[in-house]
Amino acid sequence: EAGVVQSPRYKIIEKKQPVAFWCNPISGHNTLYWYLQNLGQGPELLIRYENEEAVDDSQLPKDRFSAERLKGVDSTLKIQPAELGDSAVYLCASSLGRRGLYNEQFFGPGTRLTVL
Amino acid sequence: QKEVEQNSGPLSVPEGAIASLNCTYSDRGSQSFFWYRQYSGKSPELIMSIYSNGDKEDGRFTAQLNKASQYVSLLIRDSQPSDSATYLCAVNTGRRALTFGSGTRLQVQP
Repeated sequence: EAGVVQSPRYKIIEKKQPVAFWCNPISGHNTLYWYLQNLGQGPELLIRYENEEAVDDSQLPKDRFSAERLKGVDSTLKIQPAELGDSAVYLCASSLGRRGLYNEQFFGPGTRLTVL
Repeated sequence: QKEVEQNSGPLSVPEGAIASLNCTYSDRGSQSFFWYRQYSGKSPELIMSIYSNGDKEDGRFTAQLNKASQYVSLLIRDSQPSDSATYLCAVNTGRRALTFGSGTRLQVQP
């Protein structure tokens, strides 16, 4: 079974430029998450989707970040414009999305963003 | 107070020893608990999940949960150099997705 797929794996951009990350979850997983991980820290949630609905985006900086999951499968996370402080690893994860709290989440390889 | 706390380490153990990794959490309503392993430059990999008080064993790994003390631990028996990584404790309170600790770096000395 294929895991979570993310692209690109690495991205270097200059500040104020836009950037987009793509994620394809594990087949059959209804819940998709975008996390941000800074060096030496654990991942922090940016947004969670249940199918195509964003059900938790309270930690997403909406002035510059946006996300979509139009058909309830693939998702795109965008930053426009990027700032120096956005340099981090952006992780996508997915889970089956069953009711309750016992959803095991599986991570993709991440996108390492460097903003110059 | 952080929601999930871990000692950053490094925790250094000799090969073949038992490594004990600890985690405390602040939300008493937390229901499910996970341990992830993260090698340098890689993404987190799920290694254990535990939902009820007590021990759960899987191969060389044992997760322990004590909800009264708000404490989760991971034991790694017969530690190998390949176990050297950062171990992330994650907690699901139901209000959001997983809340992670900052991780404990484990070094297994050959």
